[in-house]
Amino acid sequence: DAKTTQPTSMDCAEGRAANLPCNHSTISGNEYVYWYRQIHSQGPQYIIHGLKNNETNEMASLIITEDRKSSTLILPHATLRDTAVYYCIVRVEAGGTSYGKLTFGQGTILTVHP
Amino acid sequence: AAGVIQSPRHLIKEKRETATLKCYPIPRHDTVYWYQQGPGQDPQFLISFYEKMQSDKGSIPDRFSAQQFSDYHSELNMSSLELGDSALYFCASSSRRQATYEQYFGPGTRLTVT
Repeated sequence: DAKTTQPTSMDCAEGRAANLPCNHSTISGNEYVYWYRQIHSQGPQYIIHGLKNNETNEMASLIITEDRKSSTLILPHATLRDTAVYYCIVRVEAGGTSYGKLTFGQGTILTVHP
Repeated sequence: AAGVIQSPRHLIKEKRETATLKCYPIPRHDTVYWYQQGPGQDPQFLISFYEKMQSDKGSIPDRFSAQQFSDYHSELNMSSLELGDSALYFCASSSRRQATYEQYFGPGTRLTVT
């Protein structure tokens, strides 16, 4: 699976949009970008994933650059409960010997301030 | 909606003892994953099962074994426990059959080895 690079930490004011970047310059054509978050000591929570088109769900939006070498997770109206570690993970969705497993690297600690 | 259930939530064992952690996946999910998260670390993949067969293996010690049963629940058996095994153990599930590859995590089991 491709390696990802994220900032170690970010701050955001409550009610503002939080934009979390991720670099994955070695991503392969069949690899998806997944975002998970982990609120302190809880199980990681799936947020969103995409291949090359921008995606949006009830939690967030995912913007993937045209060359697919980077992406941005957008939380449109951050709340205090969004304070967590956010992980950007790139992996093949199906097939291959590493099917399924998530490789968590250093994520971004997002702190939302009142 | 039903979530992944893990039991017990907390477990205290002494060195050289054995421990069994249980995971009940989301109904109709056919794939189970186990992750270990040491203090201050990111989750690390241990092992996964699809349709009761081991599908992938990560950095799981030989002292650990796991299996998935006919009702799709899974158990992680840990023997000759060491102090370094103290960690959060997460189980996650997904459905390959339904092509929903995002993983949903349980609340975790906190194992403390004294």
